[in-house]
Amino acid sequence: AQSVTQPDIHITVSEGASLELRCNYSYGATPYLFWYVQSPGQGLQLLLKYFSGDTLVQGIKGFEAEFKRSQSSFNLRKPSVHWSDAAEYFCAVGPYMEYGNKLVFGAGTILRVKS
Amino acid sequence: GAGVSQTPSNKVTEKGKYVELRCDPISGHTALYWYRQSLGQGPEFLIYFQGTGAADDSGLPNDRFFAVRPEGSVSTLKIQRTERGDSAVYLCASSSPGQGGEQFFGPGTRLTVL
Repeated sequence: AQSVTQPDIHITVSEGASLELRCNYSYGATPYLFWYVQSPGQGLQLLLKYFSGDTLVQGIKGFEAEFKRSQSSFNLRKPSVHWSDAAEYFCAVGPYMEYGNKLVFGAGTILRVKS
Repeated sequence: GAGVSQTPSNKVTEKGKYVELRCDPISGHTALYWYRQSLGQGPEFLIYFQGTGAADDSGLPNDRFFAVRPEGSVSTLKIQRTERGDSAVYLCASSSPGQGGEQFFGPGTRLTVL
C-alpha cells in the first residue's frame, strides 16, 4: 500500500536557523515525490517535486529536498528559516503522470518560527 | 492569472442535509481533482476528472458523495444526507499536461456538519 509518513507533527526553529523536515514513503513503483506548503486560509502551494535525475532538487523560496532511495526518504531542507516560512508542510507521493496523479499525502508538519 | 477558486469558503449545515461545493479550475486545465482534508490530516484523494468524465472515483467514501463536471470546467461536489463525520476541508485542484504533473490547489471549502 502507498503511504507517506511525516514523523514530526510540530517543529519549532529559530529564525535564521536551518530546517529539516522528514518524509518517508512506501510506494510499489518508482515514486513521484512532492513537497507542498499550506498557509492558513490558503491552498497548497508546490515547493518542489522529484521523479528522476539529480537526487538533490531545488525548489522555490530557498527550499531543497534530497531523495534517498535506500532510506525511502525525501527530506525537505532550508539553510536559513525566515519568519514567513511558518506554515504546514506536506509531503506527497504518486505515480509519474502528466495528469491523473492520485497523490497520497502525509499528515503534515507544522513549522513554528521563533524570533 | 486567476487560480483555482472554491465556493463557499465556509459551509455550516445540519446533519442529514444536502450540500453542494463548487470548484472553478484554472482556465484551460483539463484535469480536476477533489481531495478531503480532515483535522490534523493530510489531504485524501476523492475523485479525478479528465474533461467531463470521472476518470477515477475510487476515493469517494460512499454513495452519499457524488461529483459532476458537465462542461469540462466547473465541478460540483455533492454530499447527500450529511453526517458529522463529513466535516472537513474539501480541496479542489486542477492540472494540465506539460506542467510535470503539478496540481494547483484552491483554498478549500470548510464544511461543518452540526
